[in-house]
Amino acid sequence: ELKVEQNPLFLSMQEGKNYTIYCNYSTTSDRLYWYRQDPGKSLESLFVLLSNGAVKQEGRLMASLDTKARLSTLHITAAVHDLSATYFCAVLTQGGSEKLVFGKGTKLTVNP
Amino acid sequence: NAGVMQNPRHLVRRRGQEARLRCSPMKGHSHVYWYRQLPEEGLKFMVYLQKENIIDESGMPKERFSAEFPKEGPSILRIQQVVRGDSAAYFCASSPGPGRDREQYFGPGTRLTVT
Repeated sequence: ELKVEQNPLFLSMQEGKNYTIYCNYSTTSDRLYWYRQDPGKSLESLFVLLSNGAVKQEGRLMASLDTKARLSTLHITAAVHDLSATYFCAVLTQGGSEKLVFGKGTKLTVNP
Repeated sequence: NAGVMQNPRHLVRRRGQEARLRCSPMKGHSHVYWYRQLPEEGLKFMVYLQKENIIDESGMPKERFSAEFPKEGPSILRIQQVVRGDSAAYFCASSPGPGRDREQYFGPGTRLTVT
């Protein structure tokens, strides 16, 4: 059974600082997603990572994937208050029914 | 192209009542997924449906919960005799199915409160 673990679960940062969120998963998959969720809202898709070594960047966020280590990272550069949200990674199961297995989320608070 | 639509957005039910949640997938999408998010937690898979077929219901509680996706009309998640523990946000996602673009597109969710 596929398991997805994120850490940290809570992250409080100062504006301007850098930090990394980690996502480990237990079995092989060919798709990993990062989502952002604001309180009371739906999920906003940030990145989809398809292959080993994939790196994608959008603004102050950069995601990478190491399929051999079954690890993805979401790196935040020079955080700003607007990045405060909960970030989820999700891994697509393979074979048979394809469903997303989510991590518990990282609640990020960026303090001015 | 309208996104995934869910209604109602908020639903309040008393214990013992029934809740019906609706999901209209994106145009051209024939695959629908339901996920549940308990407060302060990640989303958990409940059921995967194609038109008139349940493909995988391994995440559905064994009792009181059912889902359908008829040939015409929206997909419906039905919860009978709701209990306080059913209070959660229920998200629907749709995809075009197997193939290159298998991304699931999420709706705005239905927030169910059981009083």
